[in-house]
Amino acid sequence: DAGVIQSPRHEVTEMGQEVTLRCKPISGHNSLFWYRQTMMRGLELLIYFNNNVPIDDSGMPEDRFSAKMPNASFSTLKIQPSEPRDSAVYFCASTDRGLETQYFGPGTRLLVL
Amino acid sequence: QKEVEQNSGPLSVPEGAIASLNCTYSDRVSQSFFWYRQYSGKSPELIMSIYSNGDKEDGRFTAQLNKASQYVSLLIRDSQPSDSATYLCAVNTRSNYQLIWGAGTKLIIKP
Repeated sequence: DAGVIQSPRHEVTEMGQEVTLRCKPISGHNSLFWYRQTMMRGLELLIYFNNNVPIDDSGMPEDRFSAKMPNASFSTLKIQPSEPRDSAVYFCASTDRGLETQYFGPGTRLLVL
Repeated sequence: QKEVEQNSGPLSVPEGAIASLNCTYSDRVSQSFFWYRQYSGKSPELIMSIYSNGDKEDGRFTAQLNKASQYVSLLIRDSQPSDSATYLCAVNTRSNYQLIWGAGTKLIIKP
């Protein structure tokens, strides 16, 4: 059974460019989470969806960040324009309602020059 | 005050000994508690979940929960070098599938 799938695995871009990160949750899971992890700040929740609806986006740093979940099997996190301080590992996780255990994707390592 | 606190370490333990990892949380209505392991460059993976006071054992791992003291711990018996990783404590405090994460404790098992 496939786990959470994220793409790309690595992204190097220049400041000011648009970055789009993609996530496919585990089939049947109806909650999806986007996290950012850095050495300084640890694991931070950016936004989470339940049944494709954004429930809490209070962790989104600023208007440069946006997330969508057009259907149950796909979500995107977009940064426009990107800045060097956005450099981090971005994880997507999903969970089956009622079980709470979150399953993480392999992450996207983003470097903004 | 952080909602979930862990000692960042590193915690160094000799091979074969018991490693003890600790986590405290601030919200008394917390219901669910999780320990995740994260190897360097990898994603977090679930090791243990615990919901009731007391101990829960799974192989070499034992999770301990004390809600009165707002304290959850993870014991690793017969520590192996492959246990060297960062251990993240996560707590569900709002019953809406969000987890509040600790900063993690880096564990080093010395051969």
